[in-house]
Amino acid sequence: EVQLVESGGGLVQPGGSLRLSCTASGFTFSRYWMTWVRQAPGKGLEWVANIKQDGSEIYYVDSVKGRFTISRDNAKNSLYLQLNSLRAEDTAVYYCARLRSDYYYYMDVWGKGTTVTVSS
Amino acid sequence: QSVLTQPPSVSGAPGQRVSISCTGSSSNIGAGYDVHWYQQLPGTAPKLLIYGNSNRPSGVPDRFSGSKSGTSASLAITGLQAEDETDYYCQSYDSSLSAWVFGGGTKLTVL
Repeated sequence: EVQLVESGGGLVQPGGSLRLSCTASGFTFSRYWMTWVRQAPGKGLEWVANIKQDGSEIYYVDSVKGRFTISRDNAKNSLYLQLNSLRAEDTAVYYCARLRSDYYYYMDVWGKGTTVTVSS
Repeated sequence: QSVLTQPPSVSGAPGQRVSISCTGSSSNIGAGYDVHWYQQLPGTAPKLLIYGNSNRPSGVPDRFSGSKSGTSASLAITGLQAEDETDYYCQSYDSSLSAWVFGGGTKLTVL
């Protein structure tokens, strides 16, 4: 079964840091782009970052540039998101997703998400 | 304010047809970037519903269909069922923002 499982969320103070992880199973992780998408409480979906199969291309939404870092370890079938200088507006459920890139670019497999709460 | 505009809500009776619009601009849908649709049940992760404007992944009923024209796209649902009552999001790419973008989401109510 193709599966993505996120972990690492929690309560953190403004200005703090957190590292999210996403473990993949059921498919060859190294063959796919991966992405992080977040959803603030009661709000819509917001794309956060993408990373190419070998990590050679990385893209971020402007609001997290310089604060968040996406990375991956293909040997461990794992995707990461390092969150630094956290703000209240970063409070959200963070989903990792597989990004299909054969012809169309779309998110075809999603994890259940991990919750990040930034509050003092 | 989302770059892709969706109606906040739509509704329809069981068995009827509803359509959800996704309006963009010349830097996203109008530039030729593809549109994808996701369904999100309450408290769960989004699920891919339509990719590449009009393609259904395996397992998605053919009651769901997508189309794209100009700077807009639409998701149509025929034969409405109670289980269709949830949130729907469109998604594309915006070249001005250099970002993948989502619509604000539409809540479908089955009357």
